[in-house]
Amino acid sequence: IAGITQAPTSQILAAGRRMTLRCTQDMRHNAMYWYRQDLGLGLRLIHYSNTAGTTGKGEVPDGYSVSRANTDDFPLTLASAVPSQTSVYFCASSDSAGGAGEQFFGPGTRLTVL
Amino acid sequence: GQNIDQPTEMTATEGAIVQINCTYQTSGFNGLFWYQQHAGEAPTFLSYNVLDGLEEKGRFSSFLSRSKGYSYLLLKELQMKDSASYLCAVTSNDYKLSFGAGTTVTVRA
Repeated sequence: IAGITQAPTSQILAAGRRMTLRCTQDMRHNAMYWYRQDLGLGLRLIHYSNTAGTTGKGEVPDGYSVSRANTDDFPLTLASAVPSQTSVYFCASSDSAGGAGEQFFGPGTRLTVL
Repeated sequence: GQNIDQPTEMTATEGAIVQINCTYQTSGFNGLFWYQQHAGEAPTFLSYNVLDGLEEKGRFSSFLSRSKGYSYLLLKELQMKDSASYLCAVTSNDYKLSFGAGTTVTVRA
């Protein structure tokens, strides 16, 4: 059982390019989340989904979009990358919607925007 | 929104005890989590407190006082592998999880 996977592991991207970070879980969890982690700021919630077909905005949603077409996949898209989006991105899932349950994190994607 | 404060760094000796404090201010409270994150890795779940009191799990214990907006994570019998960042996180009435910046614990021989 893989748990939760993310791709790519790392990426260097030119500013202005479009990029989709992939996240897949095989635990049949209803809730999924995207965070970014920056030094000194901790993990900040970008977008979340409490169940397939629904999404919501987190603390720092600007410049990012998500979709949740099915239970397993929760891709994060940067429509036009900017250098301030350089960060480590973590996807997470939980069997309890709304942040109440333990969250399982993917291994992360390290993104550099030049 | 939430305001979550925890110390930036702590250093302790192998075999000792370390207590990591976390204070929070939130518009509503629905639970507090502690996660461990080793350098370059993903966070992993340590504990969850929703009621006042102490939750013990092996060498790790977590305490919560809702009236004081205060929690601590106690690490006993420290081992070198406990060197990591420890993240305090709070779930509020909007049911989103907000994280503190994390406390980096360094265990020395």
